[in-house]
Amino acid sequence: TQLLEQSPQFLSIQEGENLTVYCNSSSVFSSLQWYRQEPGEGPVLLVTVVTGGEVKKLKRLTFQFGDARKDSSLHITAAQPGDTGLYLCAGSPSNDYKLSFGAGTTVTVRA
Amino acid sequence: DSGVTQTPKHLITATGQRVTLRCSPRSGDLSVYWYQQSLDQGLQFLIHYYNGEERAKGNILERFSAQQFPDLHSELNLSSLELGDSALYFCASSATSGRSGEQYFGPGTRLTVT
Repeated sequence: TQLLEQSPQFLSIQEGENLTVYCNSSSVFSSLQWYRQEPGEGPVLLVTVVTGGEVKKLKRLTFQFGDARKDSSLHITAAQPGDTGLYLCAGSPSNDYKLSFGAGTTVTVRA
Repeated sequence: DSGVTQTPKHLITATGQRVTLRCSPRSGDLSVYWYQQSLDQGLQFLIHYYNGEERAKGNILERFSAQQFPDLHSELNLSSLELGDSALYFCASSATSGRSGEQYFGPGTRLTVT
């Protein structure tokens, strides 16, 4: 069982459409990170959210941390083919040291 | 470019063999983390070193070992290799000594065991 559950597992959309990826857990996290990984490459850090209810924007990407710090979402507005990749959420529960990753959401944006 | 380097990029070896993967962290980072990524298991944390000392262990097999040297580069040794060890192995680094989600990943080493 994954500590961080991501949904959906796969997402294929047309260029210009919006999408949302979810990351959920029953554990409380002091912070959550979102990474994007392209095939054959290492994950690249996109953002860290720390405060419950926090919203961060990175160009067309909007990240939200749940009020209870157990979940997060990533919303992409007007998706472009360059947004294609594997999106991973990660975090360390408040009572644990090790960083855990979700299984990831594979996003494909068709031109 | 994250600033983390890993060698080799690809490695093909036979079952029962031993290999060493090498990682150099970003300049100034004292923490090094190793991860294994396979299709069915996702990204799994193996081990964390900080300034030469082991800080945390994850799902690392007894056949695997790692160390961090005084110049802060790290090596992951995999022995008695099995087919199931075929995976991408990533190294990541961070500036902090404690748990940190803000890690910078290298390009990975793709290990194929035949």
